[in-house]
Formats: sequence, C-alpha cells, structure tokens
Amino acid sequence: GQQLNQSPQSMFIQEGEDVSMNCTSSSIFNTWLWYKQDPGEGPVLLIALYKAGELTSNGRLTAQFGITRKDSFLNISASIPSDVGIYFCAGSLGNTGKLIFGQGTTLQVKP
Amino acid sequence: DVKVTQSSRYLVKRTGEKVFLECVQDMDHENMFWYRQDPGLGLRLIYFSYDVKMKEKGDIPEGYSVSREKKERFSLILESASTNQTSMYLCASALDRGYNGYTFGSGTRLTVV
Repeated sequence: GQQLNQSPQSMFIQEGEDVSMNCTSSSIFNTWLWYKQDPGEGPVLLIALYKAGELTSNGRLTAQFGITRKDSFLNISASIPSDVGIYFCAGSLGNTGKLIFGQGTTLQVKP
Repeated sequence: DVKVTQSSRYLVKRTGEKVFLECVQDMDHENMFWYRQDPGLGLRLIYFSYDVKMKEKGDIPEGYSVSREKKERFSLILESASTNQTSMYLCASALDRGYNGYTFGSGTRLTVV
C-alpha cells in the first residue's frame, strides 16, 4: 500500500533546541495531519492542515501543508523533556476515509 | 472527549490460537479502523468499517478478519495466530472520513509465542 516518507527516523536533541521533521509523498493529499504518540499510548492528534500552503501553530508546534500538496513539515521550538515520543505524519486521500501514515520520527530530549 | 477503549493492554497467545481484540468507542462514530504498528514501518491499516456490518480490507488484511455487529464495537480476529502477528494493535474511530483525523485507543500489545 501507499506510504509516506517521513524523516528523520529518529532524533536525539538537547532540551531547548528546535526540532524539524517532514513527510513527502508521491501522491497528492487533501489533508495532512500530525500525531504524537507517548510511550505506551495511542497517537494523539496535534495539528490538522486542510489547504495547500497553510501554516498552523499549536503552542510551540508549527506545521505547514506543502504547496504541491505532496509534503508537510512539523517544527517544535524550544524542546522540553515531555516532547519525547514518536511523531507521525498522516495524509488523507480525499473522501475515502483512509489515512496513510508515515514511518514515524522518534524524538528523545536530553535535559 | 471521544473515548476509544481497547479491552486489553497486553496479551500473550500461543501459535494457532484464535485471538479476539475488542474495541469500543462512545461517541457514535460511524468509521472505525484497525492498524498494526511495527518499528520502522509506522501504522499499517488492516481493516476498516464505515457502518454496522460493513467492512473493507486495508493494506495488510491477510490472516485477519473483523466483525462490526454494533456501531460502537469493532473487533479484530486473528483466525490462527502466528509469531509474525506479534505487534502493537491500534483501534481508531472517526466522525467523518478522516478529514479531522482519528481518535485512537491506547493499543493492545500482542505477543504470539
């Protein structure tokens, strides 16, 4: 099946640093979503993007829907220890109801 | 808030056993999904359902089946568990067709020995 290419696969950073991760696809998506999964839990929605070029913030998180509709990025500013987890991008294929997920970016933050 | 509840957090089953993973949501969502999560592979869709008694195959349906007899409950069935089905299984529900994302349960970590 289709997959999104998410990078980097993992990151180990110092507290206070900024983080950037991205997803690319060969297909066009109508919606891009970013999720965070805490250890031992299910993914939780962070940000949803609905229009090409859209830039949306949620606290220290900022995400953008690429102009080509084939990519998206997520930035986290001034990271803190509770940012630790796995971040997933997901794309929605129109009205099929199916989300396609990236492989995930594992983030570790050193205090 | 929508709650999606998976009946077991951890399960250990033997090869060849028939395994039932249960998922219940409490917000009258029509759409429900089963994913499996493996390191480096992200989330892969097994089956999904848009309505009661309706099911559609996802990307990796082999070795699995599902049941949706009631709107709030979506069950994943491993007909004859195998070791390569050891994984984290995530259930999700959605009000619309994915436009606003899914709400996930906490997952069931299944080990087949």
